[in-house]
Amino acid sequence: QAVLTQPPSVSAAPGQKVTISCSGSRSNIGHNLVSWYQQLPGTAPKLLIYDNNRRPSGIPDRFSGSKSGTSATLGITGLQTGDEAEYYCGTWDSSLSAGVFGGGTKLTVL
Amino acid sequence: EVQLVESGGGLVQPGGSLRLSCVVSGFTFSSSAMHWVRQAPRKGLEYVSGINSDGDSTYYSDSVKGRFTISRDISKNTLYLQMGSLRPEDTAVYYCARGGYNWNFFDYWGQGALVTVSS
Repeated sequence: QAVLTQPPSVSAAPGQKVTISCSGSRSNIGHNLVSWYQQLPGTAPKLLIYDNNRRPSGIPDRFSGSKSGTSATLGITGLQTGDEAEYYCGTWDSSLSAGVFGGGTKLTVL
Repeated sequence: EVQLVESGGGLVQPGGSLRLSCVVSGFTFSSSAMHWVRQAPRKGLEYVSGINSDGDSTYYSDSVKGRFTISRDISKNTLYLQMGSLRPEDTAVYYCARGGYNWNFFDYWGQGALVTVSS
C-alpha cells in the first residue's frame, strides 16, 4: 500500500489536457516538496517535476506541477501518444525518515 | 554525461544475501546524496534506502530496516546495497538514483538491476 494516493488511471484524447492528483499527509506532502516521475514501459523513471512546480532542463512546459496543503497535482497539456506512461508522485516523509511514492497512475492517450 | 550503472543482481534463495553496486560518472559523487528505489514486478516504486554525501547518515524503509545496509566508496565512485535475510517479497528491479539537493527528489536514475528471491 503506497503512502501517497494517486488514481490508478486517467485518459484523454490527443491534444487535450489531463491532471493527476496525489494525496498525502502533513508529514510528507504537507511539510515537504513534491516531485513527479514519468516511467515509460521497460525503462527507468524520469524526473518531470521537482520542488512542486519546477521542471528540469529538457522537460517541455506542457508539464506542470502544483501543491496545496497535503495534495499535489501534475498537469499535462497538448497530450501526445508518446505521453502514454505511468506517472508517480514522490516526496520525503519526515515521520518515516524515508522517501515515499504514490502508487502510480497510468495515462492512456486515446 | 551522467551515468549510473547497477550490477550484482541475480537469483538468490530465501534467507540468502546479495550485494548490489552502482558505479556513477558525470557528476561529483562525493557531493551527492544517493538512494536505492525498487519496483516489484508489475508494481509501483518503493523507496528502499538513502545515504548523505558524507556517508554518515543513512535511511531505510521499514520493510528493509535491519536487513539491508547502504554504503558508498568515494574512491571508486560506487554506491552499494548489501541485502541480507532476503525474502520473496524483496524480488524487484533495484534502481540507484542521485538525490536532489533537498532530499525531495531523484534527478538521475540507473537502468536497474533485477533481484529474484526464490527457491
